Amino acid sequence: SQTIHQWPATLVQPVGSPLSLECTVEGTSNPNLYWYRQAAGRGLQLLFYSVGIGQISSEVPQNLSASRPQDRQFILSSKKLLLSDSGFYLCAWSPDRVNEQFFGPGTRLTVL
Amino acid sequence: GDSVTQMEGPVTLSEEAFLTINCTYTATGYPSLFWYVQYPGEGLQLLLKATKADDKGSNKGFEATYRKETTSFHLEKGSVQVSDSAVYFCALFHSGNTGKLIFGQGTTLQVKP
Repeated sequence: SQTIHQWPATLVQPVGSPLSLECTVEGTSNPNLYWYRQAAGRGLQLLFYSVGIGQISSEVPQNLSASRPQDRQFILSSKKLLLSDSGFYLCAWSPDRVNEQFFGPGTRLTVL
Repeated sequence: GDSVTQMEGPVTLSEEAFLTINCTYTATGYPSLFWYVQYPGEGLQLLLKATKADDKGSNKGFEATYRKETTSFHLEKGSVQVSDSAVYFCALFHSGNTGKLIFGQGTTLQVKP
């Protein structure tokens, strides 16, 4: 069966520090991968998605970036965090474009 | 563009009450529709789905029917439990959206004993 992992589970970082969040999927190959952010009390905002290694599409302009160095690994990064980057970051995968997405447990990021 | 609108929350019910969470959508063509549930501090879990008009998705006592004539996908449960307390998200997937799910804002449900 397929599983999706995210780490760390929680993170507290000062403003201006770098960020690296990791997501990995097991039990499947060539998944579509997604990064979402959920701000407190708000819905989900799609940040990035990837249909293959090295293929990243950005949905919103921001100081975040994403990379997919391996088929089942998706990384969210920032060189300098802002206060507004605080939120709950969710990674998701789907087997192809017409099926539902499956979500990881999320990373709670607090920028102070 | 495509969009999903959910009823405002929070919704507060007593245990064993009937639940309805309204969801309407705007999309061209025939999107697939989903309900996801998010328990406190966790990621989203797929609750149910429907892929064509008049389909009924069901799971764990929850049901939703894809109504194309009213562009709706309302979530219902006949008797809620305290353990159903969570945030519920309605979402649509359209093949024209290059693989993206469009989510509603979420509706918080609180069930009191």
